[in-house]
Amino acid sequence: AQTVTQSQPEMSVQEAETVTLSCTYDTSESDYYLFWYKQPPSRQMILVIRQEAYKQQNATENRFSVNFQKAAKSFSLKISDSQLGDAAMYFCAYGGSQGNLIFGKGTKLSVKP
Amino acid sequence: GAGVSQSPSNKVTEKGKDVELRCDPISGHTALYWYRQRLGQGLEFLIYFQGNSAPDKSGLPSDRFSAERTGESVSTLTIQRTQQEDSAVYLCASSALVRSGNTIYFGEGSWLTVV
Repeated sequence: AQTVTQSQPEMSVQEAETVTLSCTYDTSESDYYLFWYKQPPSRQMILVIRQEAYKQQNATENRFSVNFQKAAKSFSLKISDSQLGDAAMYFCAYGGSQGNLIFGKGTKLSVKP
Repeated sequence: GAGVSQSPSNKVTEKGKDVELRCDPISGHTALYWYRQRLGQGLEFLIYFQGNSAPDKSGLPSDRFSAERTGESVSTLTIQRTQQEDSAVYLCASSALVRSGNTIYFGEGSWLTVV
């Protein structure tokens, strides 16, 4: 069975600085997708970024980028120029052949002004 | 609709009562998912529906939990004889196809409190 591990329950970053959130996963599949979701206090899950496993190039979305290391099964999220609105829970998720997403336990990110 | 809609947004119920949670997926989305999120925890997969195929019920925690879906539209998650450990946010999501790369869109959840 696939598993997703986020080893940082909480992280803190100064406004305008850069922070990296870690995620590792375990799978025997070769074709899959990885996602980062953001959940602010409103509870609405918002897709931040996604990565296709067959693509070597790391995905980027404005201030958000990933470091995808397929051999190491690592998928970290880098947030550059952090803003107060980035404060939220961040969940890493795996999407494989089963169709549903498997989530990590999340990392709570605080942004200090 | 424009997004995934869930109702009620908040529900307080007495232990032992049955509850029904409703989900309206995005129009045209064939796949529908239910997740449970306990306070401060991650998302726990419950069940998903894919078109007319048999649903994947592998995540349902007990036989007190069941879900139905009418065609490719509304779904209802039913919890019978609720227990305090059922208190959580129940999140519904939908996607265009059951394919690992498709973006899954979430509703705002139904917050269930069992007292």
